[in-house]
Amino acid sequence: AQSVAQPEDQVNVAEGNPLTVKCTYSVSGNPYLFWYVQYPNRGLQFLLKYITGDNLVKGSYGFEAEFNKSQTSFHLKKPSALVSDSALYFCAVRDMDSNYQLIWGAGTKLIIKP
Amino acid sequence: DARVTQTPRHKVTEMGQEVTMRCQPILGHNTVFWYRQTMMQGLELLAYFRNRAPLDDSGMPKDRFSAEMPDATLATLKIQPSEPRDSAVYFCASGGDGGRTDTQYFGPGTRLTVL
Repeated sequence: AQSVAQPEDQVNVAEGNPLTVKCTYSVSGNPYLFWYVQYPNRGLQFLLKYITGDNLVKGSYGFEAEFNKSQTSFHLKKPSALVSDSALYFCAVRDMDSNYQLIWGAGTKLIIKP
Repeated sequence: DARVTQTPRHKVTEMGQEVTMRCQPILGHNTVFWYRQTMMQGLELLAYFRNRAPLDDSGMPKDRFSAEMPDATLATLKIQPSEPRDSAVYFCASGGDGGRTDTQYFGPGTRLTVL
């Protein structure tokens, strides 16, 4: 069975510092991985996805994610955090066994302190 | 700027009443998803349509929930009768062909409160 995990409920980072939001996955076959962000009282917004190729994927708002096959991870990163990055972040993996639906992580609340 | 739209944005109703939520997917998208988000359960998939045909509604309570796509520009989610435990934010998302590389785009959600 395929699954995705976000091991941290909350991540606290000081403004200007680099940030990492962790995601690990378990799939049979090639993984297709996604990151979304949800600001308060808003819908989820697509940030980036890994399909194949370069292990470093660049996305919206200066975010990037590093795919690591040996560690089965897809961590979201940003070199310098902004207070406006404070939001809920979701990792998802494509379910290749069930109509290509997305399997969602529980979400990580990112808090950037000034 | 193509977006998924949802109406209403907020709905307060009393237990036992019928609730209808509507979604207009992005023009040209062939897949539509209904999700429910709560603090306790997180994000749950309720229903999934491709080319207006239901592919999966296993996450939906069948006795009270129903989802349809009367045409390519409208998806509906109905709850009848509603119960307090249905209080949640309901999201609609749409995507292209629903293939392995496809991206889902979410609407702003309908916040439902059942008293």
